[in-house]
Amino acid sequence: GENVEQHPSTLSVQEGDSAVIKCTYSDSASNYFPWYKQELGKRPQLIIDIRSNVGEKKDQRIAVTLNKTAKHFSLHITETQPEDSAVYFCAASLSGGYQKVTFGTGTKLQVIP
Amino acid sequence: EAGVAQSPRYKIIEKRQSVAFWCNPISGHATLYWYQQILGQGPKLLIQFQNNGVVDDSQLPKDRFSAERLKGVDSTLKIQPAKLEDSAVYLCASSLVVPNTEAFFGQGTRLTVV
Repeated sequence: GENVEQHPSTLSVQEGDSAVIKCTYSDSASNYFPWYKQELGKRPQLIIDIRSNVGEKKDQRIAVTLNKTAKHFSLHITETQPEDSAVYFCAASLSGGYQKVTFGTGTKLQVIP
Repeated sequence: EAGVAQSPRYKIIEKRQSVAFWCNPISGHATLYWYQQILGQGPKLLIQFQNNGVVDDSQLPKDRFSAERLKGVDSTLKIQPAKLEDSAVYLCASSLVVPNTEAFFGQGTRLTVV
């Protein structure tokens, strides 16, 4: 089955700096890659996603890049703010008869004011 | 906007006891997922329903865990008997059947087995 690895497990940045989280996946048939943000004690919520026919997607301060050949994708957060502090999960999704989503292990991002 | 509803929010039980969690997905979402999230880890899929049929239960410990989704709407997840290692947050999520769509999560049930 699909295996998603995520690095780093923890990340501390100064407010205003950029943060990058990287994920790799094993199944080349995966075609959808969502990123979820989970604040302490709250539910995971989708912040951005990318499909396999696209190499990069941006939404304000957040961007995701996808390299299908290398089977890795990354989340980039620019001009970080304290409210960006949370755990971020990448996921890889394979659509066949049904959508199968596999999550990474998470990155705890701390933005230091 | 109505989201995914789960209950209870918290549950403490002794090992070997049984427990049940309930989930009400977003209206119109045919796909329902139950995830187990152990502290410090990513969500791990336990079981996935499409309408009221199971499409993936490969990681469900079937000797102690069971789940059902009657009438293709609400779902319950049961653990019997519970073990200490079952302590985790149990997340329910739902999505449309359309491929490559967002999964919406509930608040989760935090289970502590003592």
